Amino acid sequence: EADIYQTPRYLVIGTGKKITLECSQTMGHDKMYWYQQDPGMELHLIHYSYGVNSTEKGDLSSESTVSRIRTEHFPLTLESARPSHTSQYLCASFSPSGNTIYFGEGSWLTVV
Amino acid sequence: KNQVEQSPQSLIILEGKNCTLQCNYTVSPFSNLRWYKQDTGRGPVSLTIMTFSENTKSNGRYTATLDADTKQSSLHITASQLSDSASYICVVSDRGSTLGRLYFGRGTQLTVWP
Repeated sequence: EADIYQTPRYLVIGTGKKITLECSQTMGHDKMYWYQQDPGMELHLIHYSYGVNSTEKGDLSSESTVSRIRTEHFPLTLESARPSHTSQYLCASFSPSGNTIYFGEGSWLTVV
Repeated sequence: KNQVEQSPQSLIILEGKNCTLQCNYTVSPFSNLRWYKQDTGRGPVSLTIMTFSENTKSNGRYTATLDADTKQSSLHITASQLSDSASYICVVSDRGSTLGRLYFGRGTQLTVWP
C-alpha cells in the first residue's frame, strides 16, 4: 500500500477562486510529480521536484504553481481557477531507485 | 517524437475470458516499461515493470511481454473477473535524462461483463 495521500479527493469551486491541492508522502522520497489527466486521456506532467526547494515545470503548460518546502509535502496551487482547469490531478513520488512509482488517489477538480 | 500507443482503445469481454492489450512505443533510449491499472476515479496502481532484458513478467493473472526490438508490449489477462474492469495504462520511461521521463499511453478501457 502506497503512503502517498492527496486531498481533497473531490472539489467543486467557483471561477476565480484560489485552490491548493495537497500531496503528502511518508516514504522520504525526493522526487515528486504532479500530473493532469482528462477523462480517457493520457497523464501529462505539469510539475516536478527533485527535493526541497527544487521545482520545475513539466511538459504541459499549466497556470498552477507548486512549492517544496518539506520533503513530505508537494502542494499545487491555482491562484484563480477557471473552467478550463477542470480535470483530475494526480500526485506521484519515485522510489530512490526509480523503479517504483507511487501514485496518489487523485484530486478531481471541477470549476464552475 | 517519443510516443506510446495503446490498442484497442476499449474492450468488452465476458467474465472468465482471456484478453490481450497492446502497447507500441517509439521512446528512445528505452529504460523500462510499466503497466498500470487505473480504476475509475482512482490513481494508477502498478502491475508490472519490465526492463530491456526482460521478455515476460507475471503478476497473478496478469502477464506482460516485451519485445524491445519491435518496441511492442502486451498485457495478457487470464480468467477475467468483474474487478478487472478498469483502464490499463502503458508507461514507458527513457534513460536520456536524469528525470527518467515517463511517457504515458491513453490506456485501454476494459469492461468485464458477467
